[in-house]
Amino acid sequence: GAGVSQSPSNKVTEKGKDVELRCDPISGHTALYWYRQSLGQGLEFLIYFQGNSAPDKSGLPSDRFSAERTGGSVSTLTIQRTQQEDSAVYLCASSFGWGGPETQYFGPGTRLLVL
Amino acid sequence: SQQGEEDPQALSIQEGENATMNCSYKTSINNLQWYRQNSGRGLVHLILIRSNEREKHSGRLRVTLDTSKKSSSLLITASRAADTASYFCASEETSGSRLTFGEGTQLTVNP
Repeated sequence: GAGVSQSPSNKVTEKGKDVELRCDPISGHTALYWYRQSLGQGLEFLIYFQGNSAPDKSGLPSDRFSAERTGGSVSTLTIQRTQQEDSAVYLCASSFGWGGPETQYFGPGTRLLVL
Repeated sequence: SQQGEEDPQALSIQEGENATMNCSYKTSINNLQWYRQNSGRGLVHLILIRSNEREKHSGRLRVTLDTSKKSSSLLITASRAADTASYFCASEETSGSRLTFGEGTQLTVNP
């Protein structure tokens, strides 16, 4: 596609509910990243997928967070039993993943509000 | 945790003035990148400087990198109101292709 897309743009949920956030990377990009950004803060790395390799999950804040990437393309970030502190903008990015210096291309983000 | 630190946290200038933002990092890097973010949404890549480069230019942007001090600066010359945004540095560590982002500088350019 023309760029990285994310859905939904905004999500309001109640504490304790599960949410799924979707990311469609740029076609041909083998690397995909998820970040979280709290209001007025920098980006917090969550998880990184590179081709068929095992994902780097070292940034996931708790076992309530999980992500998968099907067919090396679309990725879904799932947050179970949401808490108010999960409220943030969740950003997805993709890159070529060719091993050299890389630019990451970001989607517009999903703004999550947990009430 | 974020390894990057940026200063100032906020910068307000008049249109036409230059804006300088600084970034520090803690580990060895392959490259350092600067991104811009409008209204808390997606980031847009501005410029990348490799660890063996000291200075790079792109239009009104000038980036420097001092690996001995583990620091970088972004200079925007002849600023415009449209440059108002948050600016983030991101370092790619030698241990992998993950980017570690700084906390960002909120730049406001007043017309």
